[in-house]
Amino acid sequence: GAGVSQTPSNKVTEKGKYVELRCDPISGHTALYWYRQSLGQGPEFLIYFQGTGAADDSGLPNDRFFAVRPEGSVSTLKIQRTERGDSAVYLCASSLTGGTGTFGSGTRLTVV
Amino acid sequence: AQTVTQSQPEMSVQEAETVTLSCTYDTSESDYYLFWYKQPPSRQMILVIRQEAYKQQNATENRFSVNFQKAAKSFSLKISDSQLGDAAMYFCAYRSPFNTGNQFYFGTGTSLTVIP
Repeated sequence: GAGVSQTPSNKVTEKGKYVELRCDPISGHTALYWYRQSLGQGPEFLIYFQGTGAADDSGLPNDRFFAVRPEGSVSTLKIQRTERGDSAVYLCASSLTGGTGTFGSGTRLTVV
Repeated sequence: AQTVTQSQPEMSVQEAETVTLSCTYDTSESDYYLFWYKQPPSRQMILVIRQEAYKQQNATENRFSVNFQKAAKSFSLKISDSQLGDAAMYFCAYRSPFNTGNQFYFGTGTSLTVIP
């Protein structure tokens, strides 16, 4: 596609539930990033993919968070047993080789 | 870890005037990249300008320019001839070189208001 697409745009879920957030990067971009942006803060790095593999997952806060990119294009961020503190905007970015990223419009996750 | 500090939570500027947004960062690396991103209410982060640390010349993009002071670890953004469409959150960001993680570090942002 022309840009990075993230779905859903907004997601409300109950505490304890499982959620999946999807990112469709720009076609041909091998690098993909996930960030979390809490209210009033800048984006915080979660994980970086180069192709299908997670090159750097040091930003994932705990083992409830997991991300995959099985075919080197679409990526899914998975959050288990959601907590109210997980409420944030989750941003995805992609780039050709790992340089300056093009960002999507994010998914606003609200855990109630 | 690298830290990026934006000390101005909010700034305002009169339309057609000039405004400067401040950013400082902390790093022990000699090679890195610095960025300014704009985030309108649509939430998409839009690249405004980038600077390579090895370049002494300050980057410019039309009405946007930076003042990069490597020794002082300062990277300010100047917006000239401000327009109503410039109103947004602005984030300063640092990126490590490829061989040390490749992730971006963002500041907490500056909310820019443009007064007609």
